[in-house]
Amino acid sequence: QSLLTQPPSVSAAPGQTVTISCSGSSSNIGNNYVSWYQQLPETAPKLLIYETNKRPSGIPDRFSGSRSGTSATLVITGLQTGDEADYYCGTWDSSLSLLFGGGTKLTVL
Amino acid sequence: QVQLVQSGAEVKKPGASVTVSCRTSGFAFTHYFMHWVRQAPGQGLEWMGWINPLTGATNYAQKFQGRVTLTRDTSISTDYMELSSLKSDDTAVYYCARDELGFDPLDLWGQGILVTVSS
Repeated sequence: QSLLTQPPSVSAAPGQTVTISCSGSSSNIGNNYVSWYQQLPETAPKLLIYETNKRPSGIPDRFSGSRSGTSATLVITGLQTGDEADYYCGTWDSSLSLLFGGGTKLTVL
Repeated sequence: QVQLVQSGAEVKKPGASVTVSCRTSGFAFTHYFMHWVRQAPGQGLEWMGWINPLTGATNYAQKFQGRVTLTRDTSISTDYMELSSLKSDDTAVYYCARDELGFDPLDLWGQGILVTVSS
């Protein structure tokens, strides 16, 4: 059981906005940057958001991240069918371990 | 080209060990920590540990302490992950992924390799 809790699945229609939450504690999200990873089917994960709200080069601004207290949120606007993937939050814990959330499967209806 | 290229799929029997390699190219090998992350079939990501390629220092997840060994060969810019005492629930895709300071985001991932543990 992961220390970071994500909803197992979310869905929305093309063009709509979806949010994915990641709930942790003061020993992880509350005191560390959060990253988000996108894993398209049958591929390796890819960094989507780092330092809670920054995008690597090449990631469109439809993807954004934020944090409030011990929870983080990934927001995807203008949904596209190509956004169908599993999304994972990740952060460091006070035990010096990298934690991942259980993952959220995004379905674009 | 900046990339991480992992070795091919492995099939092992319970109790055996497996060594997976991760060959780096296109960037300074000693400037990036290398992490290992695994994903069991249909499951989420699980972090196993990292190695500092400059010093060889390691940081292992508690779950894998005593069973995983990370090493590197700076002469050929390659990292290795050895997992011993394999069990059936070690069947997973194993990824290498780099980060710049050891506690940064994982900004580049290998393609992953499937390790199957079966009698």
